Amino acid sequence: GEDVEQSLFLSVREGDSSVINCTYTDSSSTYLYWYKQEPGAGLQLLTYIFSNMDMKQDQRLTVLLNKKDKHLSLRIADTQTGDSAIYFCAEMDSNYQLIWGAGTKLIIKP
Amino acid sequence: NAGVTQTPKFRVLKTGQSMTLLCAQDMNHEYMYWYRQDPGMGLRLIHYSVGEGTTAKGEVPDGYNVSRLKKQNFLLGLESAAPSQTSVYFCASMGSTDTQYFGPGTRLTVL
Repeated sequence: GEDVEQSLFLSVREGDSSVINCTYTDSSSTYLYWYKQEPGAGLQLLTYIFSNMDMKQDQRLTVLLNKKDKHLSLRIADTQTGDSAIYFCAEMDSNYQLIWGAGTKLIIKP
Repeated sequence: NAGVTQTPKFRVLKTGQSMTLLCAQDMNHEYMYWYRQDPGMGLRLIHYSVGEGTTAKGEVPDGYNVSRLKKQNFLLGLESAAPSQTSVYFCASMGSTDTQYFGPGTRLTVL
């Protein structure tokens, strides 16, 4: 079946860039999403990219999509302590359902 | 505009008890979803609805029932709670933008 894979943890120094990676298997995905979840909170949509795009930039966030390799990444520039959270990658399949990764916990070192 | 709200925020049940979780959205969205989130796992879809009066099974529907009598509400029921249903439950809705918006979650513990 369809699957989305992410690393469970990423540790970066404050001020550096964070790059969170995701791979997926469904070649018919229409949209791909990044959600952020802070401790004890719900999921907040960060950004999304349509499958016919290669890149999308929104302030400190850059999303890169390599459709050939089915690889999605989220780059956070100038990482701050407030970026500490779990980041979920998700793809929308042809039935309008989201297939989720397990989430990457971003740890910020001072 | 409250977005997606969930009631209650926390609940503790004994094994065998029943309860209903309520999700409400004020964005006139057609699609609504119920997920559960367990430690170290992504979200798993329990049931979903593509419009008022319709429901469909997701990835992990066993032990749950849902109803969508009104467009703005999506109810998740547990008829006989089990400890394996201890989890955080999230509701989401989606409109024409193909983006899901989430509620704050309900933390359920079954003893």
